[in-house]
Amino acid sequence: DQQVKQNSPSLSVQEGRISILNCDYTNSMFDYFLWYKKYPAEGPTFLISISSIKDKNEDGRFTVFLNKSAKHLSLHIVPSQPGDSAVYFCAARSDSSNTGKLIFGQGTTLQVKP
Amino acid sequence: DVKVTQSSRYLVKRTGEKVFLECVQDMDHENMFWYRQDPGLGLRLIYFSYDVKMKEKGDIPEGYSVSREKKERFSLILESASTNQTSMYLCASTFIQQGYNEQFFGPGTRLTVL
Repeated sequence: DQQVKQNSPSLSVQEGRISILNCDYTNSMFDYFLWYKKYPAEGPTFLISISSIKDKNEDGRFTVFLNKSAKHLSLHIVPSQPGDSAVYFCAARSDSSNTGKLIFGQGTTLQVKP
Repeated sequence: DVKVTQSSRYLVKRTGEKVFLECVQDMDHENMFWYRQDPGLGLRLIYFSYDVKMKEKGDIPEGYSVSREKKERFSLILESASTNQTSMYLCASTFIQQGYNEQFFGPGTRLTVL
């Protein structure tokens, strides 16, 4: 059972426009959410995170929104740049066992066209 | 900067061979993780370790084992490689600390089993 789902395998956006990547989850015990970015042949790198007690977190061009009632989060990239083309993974943490484990979604491949 | 290194970037092995993938982190992190990444399936946890000589199964441990003899080093072992273990293997590590969530990833090992 997939607890974290990214239902859009790919997204194509024009440079300068907004990119919106979506993620849904099923476990209401998740207390922290993260977004990672991955280029081909490299490991994922941390992008931005949000605690379940907040509904928005912003870092430069990147903003993450959390809607707990809908169990939905989204990553907004404004303005999008060609260098943002990568695979984006959302991840969620349930810290009941304090293991640091994260559960990842399937990933969304973002292409930003010049 | 935290550095997580993996012993090989690319590896080609034959069916039935024993395969060792090694991961080393330099930040004294307690927890280390092994994932495999496959298209459309995201990152799936194979095993993780929360201390030296301690390990727990992840979501897909079948066909794999792990070893953690030193805090900085976490090895993934494929006892008898099979073609369905062709994948990108990613190692990660993290602190265990209240409010700390980020996992740091290595560059990955692309394993092909012929």
